[in-house]
Amino acid sequence: EAGVTQFPSHSVIEKGQTVTLRCDPISGHDNLYWYRRVMGKEIKFLLHFVKESKQDESGMPNNRFLAERTGGTYSTLKVQPAELEDSGVYFCASSPGTGGYNEQFFGPGTRLTVL
Amino acid sequence: DQQVKQNSPSLSVQEGRISILNCDYTNSMFDYFLWYKKYPAEGPTFLISISSIKDKNEDGRFTVFLNKSAKHLSLHIVPSQPGDSAVYFCAAQNSGGSNYKLTFGKGTLLTVNP
Repeated sequence: EAGVTQFPSHSVIEKGQTVTLRCDPISGHDNLYWYRRVMGKEIKFLLHFVKESKQDESGMPNNRFLAERTGGTYSTLKVQPAELEDSGVYFCASSPGTGGYNEQFFGPGTRLTVL
Repeated sequence: DQQVKQNSPSLSVQEGRISILNCDYTNSMFDYFLWYKKYPAEGPTFLISISSIKDKNEDGRFTVFLNKSAKHLSLHIVPSQPGDSAVYFCAAQNSGGSNYKLTFGKGTLLTVNP
């Protein structure tokens, strides 16, 4: 079974540009999460989808970030316009089911560098 | 404010000895705790978990202990192996409601020396 995949693995952009990150969760997983780790700090929650609906987007830093999950399958996270402080590693995770404890399966991450 | 704290940024142990990684939390609503292991350039990989109704969970060489009154948990690895060298993240979850987001600590870099 394929794991969570993310594209691209690395992205280097200039301040003010737009970047779109993609996540393909494990097939059949209803829950999809985005997290971000800024260098030296903890992995922080950004938002949670259940199928195509946003369950919780309380961790999104500001309105420059837009996440979508088309048809409840893959998800994209767009940053527009990017700022220097957006640099970090963006992880996507998925989990099955809608109740109880959820072990989350993480992708390899996208390393975003904003110059 | 950090709700999950891993106060040791790094730990070095000899192969065959015990590794003990510590984690403290402040939010009493957390009722499920997980340890993830992360190698460079990879995503975190689930290692072991524990529910707040238990005080110990064991899986092979890995054991997690939970002290609810102290809001403290620890991960024991015995015996430690060089392949265990990685960053270990403690994470917590509040299963109430319908959001299962994980709250992570900053991680502890474990180095197991041959």
